[in-house]
Amino acid sequence: GAGVSQSPSNKVTEKGKDVELRCDPISGHTALYWYRQSLGQGLEFLIYFQGNSAPDKSGLPSDRFSAERTGGSVSTLTIQRTQQEDSAVYLCASSWTVRNEKLFFGSGTQLSVL
Amino acid sequence: AQTVTQSQPEMSVQEAETVTLSCTYDTSENNYYLFWYKQPPSRQMILVIRQEAYKQQNATENRFSVNFQKAAKSFSLKISDSQLGDTAMYFCAFVSYGGATNKLIFGTGTLLAVQP
Repeated sequence: GAGVSQSPSNKVTEKGKDVELRCDPISGHTALYWYRQSLGQGLEFLIYFQGNSAPDKSGLPSDRFSAERTGGSVSTLTIQRTQQEDSAVYLCASSWTVRNEKLFFGSGTQLSVL
Repeated sequence: AQTVTQSQPEMSVQEAETVTLSCTYDTSENNYYLFWYKQPPSRQMILVIRQEAYKQQNATENRFSVNFQKAAKSFSLKISDSQLGDTAMYFCAFVSYGGATNKLIFGTGTLLAVQP
């Protein structure tokens, strides 16, 4: 596609439910990143992929968070048993390679946990 | 640990005037890039300008320029002739290519309001 696409744009869920957030990177981009942006905070790194592998998962806040990427393209971030503190904007970005410093960002998913 | 600090949570400037946003960072690496990203209400992050650490010359992009002071680990953004469309959150970011990973590290942002 023309840009990084994220869905859904907004998600409201109840505490304890599982959610899946989707990221469709720019075609041909091998590197894909997930960030979390909480109200009044900067961007917090979660995980990045090179192809289908995730060399750095150090930013995932707990074992309730997981991510996968299939076919070197679409990635899904899954949050199990959501908590209110998970409420944030989840941003995805992609680049040609991990050593290409120009990241292209999607518009994010606003997650609200009630 | 590598950190990026933006000490100005909010700034305001009159249209057509000049404003400078501050950013400092901490790293022991020598090979890195620095960036300023803009995030308008649409939430999509847009790259404004980037600076390679090995270059002494300050980067410029039209009305945007940086003051890169490597020894002081300072990287400020100057916006000249401010326009209403410049109203946004601005994030300073750092990436090192000498470390184990190549993730961007962001500051907490500065909310810039351009007043008519």
